[in-house]
Amino acid sequence: GESVGLHLPTLSVQEGDNSIINCAYSNSASDYFIWYKQESGKGPQFIIDIRSNMDKRQGQRVTVLLNKTVKHLSLQIAATQPGDSAVYFCAENTGGFKTIFGAGTRLFVKA
Amino acid sequence: NAGVMQNPRHLVRRRGQEARLRCSPMKGHSHVYWYRQLPEEGLKFMVYLQKENIIDESGMPKERFSAEFPKEGPSILRIQQVVRGDSAAYFCASSLGQGSTDTQYFGPGTRLTVL
Repeated sequence: GESVGLHLPTLSVQEGDNSIINCAYSNSASDYFIWYKQESGKGPQFIIDIRSNMDKRQGQRVTVLLNKTVKHLSLQIAATQPGDSAVYFCAENTGGFKTIFGAGTRLFVKA
Repeated sequence: NAGVMQNPRHLVRRRGQEARLRCSPMKGHSHVYWYRQLPEEGLKFMVYLQKENIIDESGMPKERFSAEFPKEGPSILRIQQVVRGDSAAYFCASSLGQGSTDTQYFGPGTRLTVL
């Protein structure tokens, strides 16, 4: 079936470096994508979203890139901090309410 | 402005007992979603409800699981005759609308342990 998946299950970066978390999706009908951050013992926290009519969107220290040609989504975190350590999920929505989550990437930030 | 609230945060049940998980959506939100998360895995959609209506329960197991969102009060996810495989974190989310770009905001989850 169609699904959202991630290229890397874990990512380790040095504090201050930039982080890039990648995500592949297979449903060409998906029109809305979201990145969530989940810290240990907590619920997913909305980070940033992007609609399919855009290819880039920036937030505070985060940027999401969408490449519809290759069905690829990425989350870039600038100047990664220890507080960024968490599991990051990409999610897609094909219209309506159902949001499909990927498996997640664990980000480790080394001080 | 309180976010999505869930209780209890931790719930321990013995096999065969019932588990009741509660979710209060964000103020003004009338759309509620339940997800299940196993350790080291992503969230799996279970059910979507609006007030007094189940809109989609395609992710709910056919037996033992039920959900409701009454006119007054929180949404309830009920698991009857729990088994060890029900042990997981259960997250509730709410949204303002049901459109494809209506962001879902998550609660802190209920961690169910079945002994």
